Amino acid sequence: DGGITQSPKYLFRKEGQNVTLSCEQNLNHDAMYWYRQDPGQGLRLIYYSQIVNDFQKGDIAEGYSVSREKKESFPLTVTSAQKNPTAFYLCASRVTGGVRGANVLTFGAGSRLTVL
Amino acid sequence: AQSVTQLDSHVSVSEGTPVLLRCNYSSSYSPSLFWYVQHPNKGLQLLLKYTSAATLVKGINGFEAEFKKSETSFHLTKPSAHMSDAAEYFCVVSDTDFGSGTRLSIRP
Repeated sequence: DGGITQSPKYLFRKEGQNVTLSCEQNLNHDAMYWYRQDPGQGLRLIYYSQIVNDFQKGDIAEGYSVSREKKESFPLTVTSAQKNPTAFYLCASRVTGGVRGANVLTFGAGSRLTVL
Repeated sequence: AQSVTQLDSHVSVSEGTPVLLRCNYSSSYSPSLFWYVQHPNKGLQLLLKYTSAATLVKGINGFEAEFKKSETSFHLTKPSAHMSDAAEYFCVVSDTDFGSGTRLSIRP
């Protein structure tokens, strides 16, 4: 079955360490997104990519970095510059353009990062 | 410019009673509107979407929503709540503008 796989599901990090969260999709979707979720704040967009080798900052990109070397993969690195990284991180993807259902987002199961 | 407001951060209903989760939007053009559901520690799943066809949209698990342009609303309803409906619900306008979410609790 097609879908989005995020790993790891749970991750613990010491302050000052960079960590990378994996997001892989086999849906042949062009666009991929990273969101951060904190209690009571809904989802906030970190980065998104509409096409391979291109990505744009979202609303809260500071302290994060991404790459899009392959269509299937959109890893997120949480750097030591992110002051409050403890959160639930969600990856999503969707088809772009005029295709029917183009606007529906498909989500992964999420990764919970805790900084010790 | 566009935005979405979920009017209630938490709604609690008894099992078997109706559910109403409220969502208002603003958009400078005819928007696409979505409701997603999130169970604890899970990703989001699409409940239903509106894209300028019928104003009453039926989704999964017995949920439906009505697009009211005059009221700029897209409220989510279900006639009879089930314990499995307990989750967080998000209203979304035009793909990626998320509301802050409404947590739905179901009392036995």
